Amino acid sequence: LAKTTQPISMDSYEGQEVNITCSHNNIATNDYITWYQQFPSQGPRFIIQGYKTKVTNEVASLFIPADRKSSTLSLPRVSLSDTAVYYCLVNAYSGAGSYQLTFGKGTKLSVIP
Amino acid sequence: NAGVTQTPKFRVLKTGQSMTLLCAQDMNHEYMYWYRQDPGMGLRLIHYSVGEGTTAKGEVPDGYNVSRLKKQNFLLGLESAAPSQTSVYFCASSPGGATDTQYFGPGTRLTVL
Repeated sequence: LAKTTQPISMDSYEGQEVNITCSHNNIATNDYITWYQQFPSQGPRFIIQGYKTKVTNEVASLFIPADRKSSTLSLPRVSLSDTAVYYCLVNAYSGAGSYQLTFGKGTKLSVIP
Repeated sequence: NAGVTQTPKFRVLKTGQSMTLLCAQDMNHEYMYWYRQDPGMGLRLIHYSVGEGTTAKGEVPDGYNVSRLKKQNFLLGLESAAPSQTSVYFCASSPGGATDTQYFGPGTRLTVL
């Protein structure tokens, strides 16, 4: 089972760029990295997914270095509404319809006015 | 579209009682999942299903059973509830493989006394 490690919490001021890193040093070649956002009393919500290098969408960027032992979620110019818990997920397919889905323990991001 | 719905939203059980949590999705997704979320532990996969009539064990399957008799429903059963099963339970679904985006329900808060 892949092991994922994230910082427990981070603080940031409004308007700053925030980078949250997830370590996953035993990731397999075909595993994907996905990031989710969760607000209190709600289910997690998809932010972005990647396999290698860089992926960007309308809300975030995901950087995965060549060794794929970590990934970094980048949130540009955060606002108060970005205060939430952010989870990285390693999606691993181990063959014959069998999957391993390993979530990190989450990073609580607090955005300060 | 309602997306993913979970029934009930809250439940209190006594040790040894049984109950079933219902998850329903109206997106015609093949894959469905049950997670539990405990403070400081992130989300842990209990069981999942890659299609109607199939189920598979996740990371923490002990004490739980599941069934997927219809494509749109995924049931999670606790045969003899224990205090260690006090948690928030999330159901999710995805269109294809587990590397696809997962869509989560709002959660069920279960307390076992």
